[in-house]
Amino acid sequence: AQSVTQLDSHVSVSEGTPVLLRCNYSSSYSPSLFWYVQHPNKGLQLLLKYTSAATLVKGINGFEAEFKKSETSFHLTKPSAHMSDAAEYFCVVSLTNSGNTPLVFGKGTRLSVIA
Amino acid sequence: DTGVSQDPRHKITKRGQNVTFRCDPISEHNRLYWYRQTLGQGPEFLTYFQNEAQLEKSRLLSDRFSAERPKGSFSTLEIQRTEQGDSAMYLCASSLGQGISNQPQHFGDGTRLSIL
Repeated sequence: AQSVTQLDSHVSVSEGTPVLLRCNYSSSYSPSLFWYVQHPNKGLQLLLKYTSAATLVKGINGFEAEFKKSETSFHLTKPSAHMSDAAEYFCVVSLTNSGNTPLVFGKGTRLSVIA
Repeated sequence: DTGVSQDPRHKITKRGQNVTFRCDPISEHNRLYWYRQTLGQGPEFLTYFQNEAQLEKSRLLSDRFSAERPKGSFSTLEIQRTEQGDSAMYLCASSLGQGISNQPQHFGDGTRLSIL
């Protein structure tokens, strides 16, 4: 079965310092992986997606993620945190490999950015 | 920009009442998904449609939950005989579907249900 594990429930960084949000996945086939962000009382917004074209995926707002098959990881990074990055981040895997299928979400990592 | 629209944004009701939520997807999207998100958790998949066909409904939480998309456009999610445990955020998403792989799902802002 497809699943993702977000290794940290809460990450706190200072403004201007790097961000690392960790995610491990479990999949019986080559997965489609995503990172979504959710600001308070708002819907989910797609940050980036991995679909086997390239292992380093660039997303919006300066975020990127690297797919590492050997480590079954898909960690999200950003070189320099901004106050507006404070939100809940979800690592997500597709339920099946046929594309455009329901998503399986991790439990989320809350990112706090300290001024 | 007409994104995914959900109505109402908030619903407060007494235990035992029936509630219905509506979702209007992005107009050209033929796939529509429902998720539930409880406090402190990631969204949990409930059901989805390709046009008017319901492709998966085994993950609906109980037989009190049902969803329809009669004309392949908007969808409704109904919960009958609501219980305290139904209190959650109900999210709708839409995407392009069959034949166009790995299209991202676009989410609405959700309907927050509170059971008194």
